[in-house]
Amino acid sequence: AQSVTQLGSHVSVSEGALVLLRCNYSSSVPPYLFWYVQYPNQGLQLLLKYTSAATLVKGINGFEAEFKKSETSFHLTKPSAHMSDAAEYFCAVRGQVSGGYNKLIFGAGTRLAVHP
Amino acid sequence: DGGITQSPKYLFRKEGQNVTLSCEQNLNHDAMYWYRQDPGQGLRLIYYSQIVNDFQKGDIAEGYSVSREKKESFPLTVTSAQKNPTAFYLCASSPVLGAEQYFGPGTRLTVT
Repeated sequence: AQSVTQLGSHVSVSEGALVLLRCNYSSSVPPYLFWYVQYPNQGLQLLLKYTSAATLVKGINGFEAEFKKSETSFHLTKPSAHMSDAAEYFCAVRGQVSGGYNKLIFGAGTRLAVHP
Repeated sequence: DGGITQSPKYLFRKEGQNVTLSCEQNLNHDAMYWYRQDPGQGLRLIYYSQIVNDFQKGDIAEGYSVSREKKESFPLTVTSAQKNPTAFYLCASSPVLGAEQYFGPGTRLTVT
């Protein structure tokens, strides 16, 4: 069965510093992987997705993620953090077929804090 | 402007009352979903619907019910049988089942 592990429930960085949010997945089939961002009391917004094309995926707001099959990882990075990046980030994998349905399986989330 | 709307943003109910959360989308998506979000637990799937007049239970369907009479609408009823209903509820849709999902702004339900 598919699963997602996000390492670190809280990450704190300084404004202008590198952002690195870690995601490891488990999948018995080639995965589709997603990163979503959630601002307080709002819904989730799709940041980027990997669907077996290029292993380096660029998303919105300057974020990117690299799919590494050997490490079963899909870490999210941004070269320079901005105060507006403070939010919760969710990694998700499209799961195994269950009754014909590939559902999304979400990690527990990582809350990113950015301080001046 | 296409998107997903959920209403109301905040909802308060007394224990023992059923309550219905609204979800409407104008993205022309076939599939719709309901999730529950609790602090530190990520998102858990309640129900999903592939097409009109069809829906399936997700991982935590007990105490919830849904209907899908129109393509644009997928209301969720939280019944009195749901033992711990206080949570943030998110509705999502996707072009087809299994594609990337687009989320509404959520409804925060508080039951006392």
